[in-house]
Amino acid sequence: GQQLNQSPQSMFIQEGEDVSMNCTSSSIFNTWLWYKQDPGEGPVLLIALYKAGELTSNGRLTAQFGITRKDSFLNISASIPSDVGIYFCAGRRAYNQGGKLIFGQGTELSVKP
Amino acid sequence: KAGVTQTPRYLIKTRGQQVTLSCSPISGHRSVSWYQQTPGQGLQFLFEYFSETQRNKGNFPGRFSGRQFSNSRSEMNVSTLELGDSALYLCASSPTRGGALPNTEAFFGQGTRLTVV
Repeated sequence: GQQLNQSPQSMFIQEGEDVSMNCTSSSIFNTWLWYKQDPGEGPVLLIALYKAGELTSNGRLTAQFGITRKDSFLNISASIPSDVGIYFCAGRRAYNQGGKLIFGQGTELSVKP
Repeated sequence: KAGVTQTPRYLIKTRGQQVTLSCSPISGHRSVSWYQQTPGQGLQFLFEYFSETQRNKGNFPGRFSGRQFSNSRSEMNVSTLELGDSALYLCASSPTRGGALPNTEAFFGQGTRLTVV
Protein backbone atom coordinates (compact mmCIF):
# COMPACT_ATOMS: atom_id res chain seq x y z
CA GLY A 1 0.00 0.00 0.00
CA GLN A 2 0.97 3.64 -0.35
CA GLN A 3 3.19 5.09 2.36
CA LEU A 4 4.93 8.31 3.07
CA ASN A 5 8.72 8.50 3.22
CA GLN A 6 9.58 9.09 6.85
CA SER A 7 13.13 9.56 8.09
CA PRO A 8 15.12 8.66 9.96
CA GLN A 9 13.89 5.13 10.66
CA SER A 10 15.48 5.13 14.10
CA MET A 11 17.33 7.50 16.38
CA PHE A 12 19.45 6.93 19.48
CA ILE A 13 19.96 10.13 21.40
CA GLN A 14 21.08 11.38 24.78
CA GLU A 15 18.56 12.82 27.19
CA GLY A 16 18.37 16.60 26.72
CA GLU A 17 19.17 16.53 23.02
CA ASP A 18 16.82 17.87 20.36
CA VAL A 19 15.27 15.54 17.79
CA SER A 20 14.10 16.18 14.25
CA MET A 21 12.23 13.86 11.90
CA ASN A 22 10.42 14.46 8.64
CA CYS A 23 8.03 13.03 6.10
CA THR A 24 7.88 13.56 2.37
CA SER A 25 5.43 12.56 -0.30
CA SER A 26 5.02 12.82 -4.04
CA SER A 27 1.39 13.81 -3.45
CA ILE A 28 -0.19 16.88 -1.95
CA PHE A 29 -2.01 16.57 1.35
CA ASN A 30 -4.60 18.80 3.01
CA THR A 31 -3.72 17.70 6.52
CA TRP A 32 -0.62 16.39 8.24
CA LEU A 33 -0.89 14.57 11.55
CA TRP A 34 1.84 13.40 13.89
CA TYR A 35 1.32 10.46 16.25
CA LYS A 36 3.32 8.64 18.94
CA GLN A 37 2.82 4.94 19.57
CA ASP A 38 4.01 3.01 22.60
CA PRO A 39 4.42 -0.78 22.42
CA GLY A 40 1.09 -2.60 22.42
CA GLU A 41 -0.92 0.61 22.31
CA GLY A 42 -2.69 2.62 19.65
CA PRO A 43 -1.17 5.79 18.16
CA VAL A 44 -1.78 8.97 20.15
CA LEU A 45 -2.32 12.20 18.24
CA LEU A 46 0.37 14.77 19.04
CA ILE A 47 -0.11 17.57 16.54
CA ALA A 48 -2.50 18.30 13.65
CA LEU A 49 -1.58 20.69 10.82
CA TYR A 50 -4.14 22.08 8.39
CA LYS A 51 -2.51 24.79 6.26
CA ALA A 52 0.63 25.00 4.16
CA GLY A 53 3.34 26.79 6.11
CA GLU A 54 1.57 26.28 9.44
CA LEU A 55 3.88 25.90 12.44
CA THR A 56 2.28 24.42 15.56
CA SER A 57 3.66 23.60 18.99
CA ASN A 58 2.51 21.24 21.71
CA GLY A 59 4.81 21.64 24.70
CA ARG A 60 8.29 20.55 23.64
CA LEU A 61 6.99 19.39 20.27
CA THR A 62 6.89 21.59 17.17
CA ALA A 63 5.64 20.54 13.76
CA GLN A 64 5.38 22.30 10.43
CA PHE A 65 3.26 21.78 7.32
CA GLY A 66 5.57 22.25 4.33
CA ILE A 67 4.73 25.04 1.90
CA THR A 68 4.63 22.61 -1.02
CA ARG A 69 2.06 20.55 0.95
CA LYS A 70 4.18 17.50 0.24
CA ASP A 71 6.18 17.38 3.44
CA SER A 72 6.14 17.94 7.18
CA PHE A 73 8.61 17.81 10.03
CA LEU A 74 8.44 17.22 13.77
CA ASN A 75 10.94 18.56 16.28
CA ILE A 76 11.24 17.49 19.90
CA SER A 77 13.29 19.75 22.10
CA ALA A 78 15.18 18.72 25.24
CA SER A 79 14.23 15.04 24.98
CA ILE A 80 13.38 13.05 28.10
CA PRO A 81 13.17 9.27 28.66
CA SER A 82 9.37 9.20 28.27
CA ASP A 83 9.77 10.45 24.68
CA VAL A 84 10.80 6.89 23.79
CA GLY A 85 8.44 5.32 21.27
CA ILE A 86 7.60 5.22 17.59
CA TYR A 87 6.56 8.44 15.90
CA PHE A 88 4.38 8.35 12.80
CA CYS A 89 3.45 11.02 10.34
CA ALA A 90 0.18 10.74 8.45
CA GLY A 91 -1.13 12.69 5.51
CA ARG A 92 -4.74 13.11 4.56
CA ARG A 93 -6.32 14.44 1.37
CA ALA A 94 -9.64 16.19 1.18
CA TYR A 95 -12.53 13.97 2.05
CA ASN A 96 -13.90 14.10 -1.50
CA GLN A 97 -10.50 12.96 -2.80
CA GLY A 98 -10.39 9.77 -0.77
CA GLY A 99 -9.76 11.14 2.67
CA LYS A 100 -7.95 8.13 4.08
CA LEU A 101 -4.91 8.55 6.28
CA ILE A 102 -1.62 7.51 4.68
CA PHE A 103 1.14 6.76 7.16
CA GLY A 104 4.90 6.96 7.17
CA GLN A 105 6.95 3.94 8.21
CA GLY A 106 7.66 5.43 11.61
CA THR A 107 10.72 6.76 13.46
CA GLU A 108 11.76 4.73 16.47
CA LEU A 109 13.21 7.00 19.13
CA SER A 110 15.46 5.75 21.92
CA VAL A 111 16.61 8.14 24.64
CA LYS A 112 19.62 7.37 26.81
CA PRO A 113 19.38 8.86 30.32
CA LYS B 1 -14.80 12.06 27.57
CA ALA B 2 -14.06 8.40 27.02
CA GLY B 3 -11.70 7.56 24.19
CA VAL B 4 -12.10 5.04 21.40
CA THR B 5 -12.79 1.60 22.84
CA GLN B 6 -11.88 -1.57 21.01
CA THR B 7 -12.81 -5.08 22.07
CA PRO B 8 -11.38 -7.56 22.55
CA ARG B 9 -7.79 -6.48 23.18
CA TYR B 10 -6.33 -9.85 22.27
CA LEU B 11 -7.62 -12.70 20.15
CA ILE B 12 -6.20 -16.00 19.01
CA LYS B 13 -7.93 -17.76 16.10
CA THR B 14 -7.25 -20.75 13.94
CA ARG B 15 -6.66 -20.50 10.22
CA GLY B 16 -9.95 -20.73 8.33
CA GLN B 17 -12.05 -19.31 11.14
CA GLN B 18 -13.73 -15.94 11.07
CA VAL B 19 -13.47 -13.10 13.56
CA THR B 20 -15.44 -9.98 14.48
CA LEU B 21 -13.81 -6.97 16.11
CA SER B 22 -15.71 -4.15 17.74
CA CYS B 23 -15.09 -0.42 18.03
CA SER B 24 -16.95 2.24 20.01
CA PRO B 25 -15.96 5.73 18.86
CA ILE B 26 -15.62 8.83 21.00
CA SER B 27 -19.06 10.10 21.93
CA GLY B 28 -20.38 12.39 19.21
CA HIS B 29 -17.99 11.14 16.52
CA ARG B 30 -19.78 9.71 13.51
CA SER B 31 -16.81 8.64 11.44
CA VAL B 32 -14.98 5.39 12.15
CA SER B 33 -12.06 4.03 10.19
CA TRP B 34 -10.10 0.82 10.49
CA TYR B 35 -6.39 0.17 9.97
CA GLN B 36 -4.20 -2.92 9.96
CA GLN B 37 -0.72 -2.62 11.45
CA THR B 38 1.99 -5.19 10.78
CA PRO B 39 5.79 -4.94 11.14
CA GLY B 40 6.28 -5.47 7.42
CA GLN B 41 3.56 -3.26 5.95
CA GLY B 42 3.11 -0.65 8.65
CA LEU B 43 -0.28 1.01 9.04
CA GLN B 44 -2.61 0.24 6.15
CA PHE B 45 -6.10 1.66 5.67
CA LEU B 46 -8.94 -0.88 5.58
CA PHE B 47 -12.15 1.14 5.34
CA GLU B 48 -14.02 4.14 6.68
CA TYR B 49 -17.64 4.47 7.73
CA PHE B 50 -19.60 7.65 8.16
CA SER B 51 -23.27 7.73 9.13
CA GLU B 52 -23.59 3.98 8.62
CA THR B 53 -22.24 4.09 5.05
CA GLN B 54 -18.87 2.87 3.84
CA ARG B 55 -17.20 5.94 2.32
CA ASN B 56 -13.72 4.66 1.53
CA LYS B 57 -12.13 1.27 1.14
CA GLY B 58 -8.50 0.21 1.07
CA ASN B 59 -6.83 -2.48 -1.00
CA PHE B 60 -7.77 -5.52 1.02
CA PRO B 61 -9.51 -8.69 -0.17
CA GLY B 62 -13.24 -9.14 0.20
CA ARG B 63 -12.66 -11.32 3.27
CA PHE B 64 -12.36 -8.06 5.16
CA SER B 65 -15.67 -6.33 5.73
CA GLY B 66 -17.21 -3.94 8.15
CA ARG B 67 -20.32 -2.12 9.15
CA GLN B 68 -21.44 0.78 11.26
CA PHE B 69 -24.53 0.98 13.42
CA SER B 70 -26.88 3.88 14.05
CA ASN B 71 -25.08 4.66 17.32
CA SER B 72 -21.81 4.98 15.31
CA ARG B 73 -20.33 1.83 16.81
CA SER B 74 -18.54 -0.23 14.20
CA GLU B 75 -17.54 -3.82 13.65
CA MET B 76 -15.11 -5.36 11.26
CA ASN B 77 -15.18 -8.96 10.19
CA VAL B 78 -12.50 -11.14 8.67
CA SER B 79 -13.59 -14.44 7.19
CA THR B 80 -11.48 -17.47 6.32
CA LEU B 81 -8.55 -16.27 8.36
CA GLU B 82 -5.04 -16.68 7.01
CA LEU B 83 -1.76 -16.65 8.92
CA GLY B 84 -0.91 -13.32 7.27
CA ASP B 85 -3.94 -11.70 8.89
CA SER B 86 -2.12 -11.69 12.21
CA ALA B 87 -1.80 -8.02 13.06
CA LEU B 88 -2.82 -5.19 15.32
CA TYR B 89 -6.19 -3.89 14.11
CA LEU B 90 -6.77 -0.26 14.97
CA CYS B 91 -9.96 1.71 14.93
CA ALA B 92 -10.00 5.51 14.76
CA SER B 93 -12.85 7.95 15.16
CA SER B 94 -13.10 11.45 13.76
CA PRO B 95 -15.31 14.36 14.76
CA THR B 96 -17.52 16.01 12.17
CA ARG B 97 -17.10 19.49 10.79
CA GLY B 98 -20.37 21.34 10.85
CA GLY B 99 -22.15 18.01 11.09
CA ALA B 100 -21.61 17.34 7.40
CA LEU B 101 -18.24 15.70 6.86
CA PRO B 102 -15.67 14.11 9.11
CA ASN B 103 -12.96 16.39 10.39
CA THR B 104 -9.46 15.45 9.47
CA GLU B 105 -8.14 14.48 12.90
CA ALA B 106 -8.32 10.81 13.82
CA PHE B 107 -8.18 9.42 17.34
CA PHE B 108 -7.15 5.81 17.75
CA GLY B 109 -8.17 3.09 20.13
CA GLN B 110 -5.71 0.70 21.77
CA GLY B 111 -6.25 -1.88 19.07
CA THR B 112 -7.06 -5.56 18.92
CA ARG B 113 -4.08 -7.87 18.63
CA LEU B 114 -5.18 -10.77 16.39
CA THR B 115 -3.02 -13.86 16.19
CA VAL B 116 -3.90 -16.52 13.63
CA VAL B 117 -2.39 -19.97 14.26
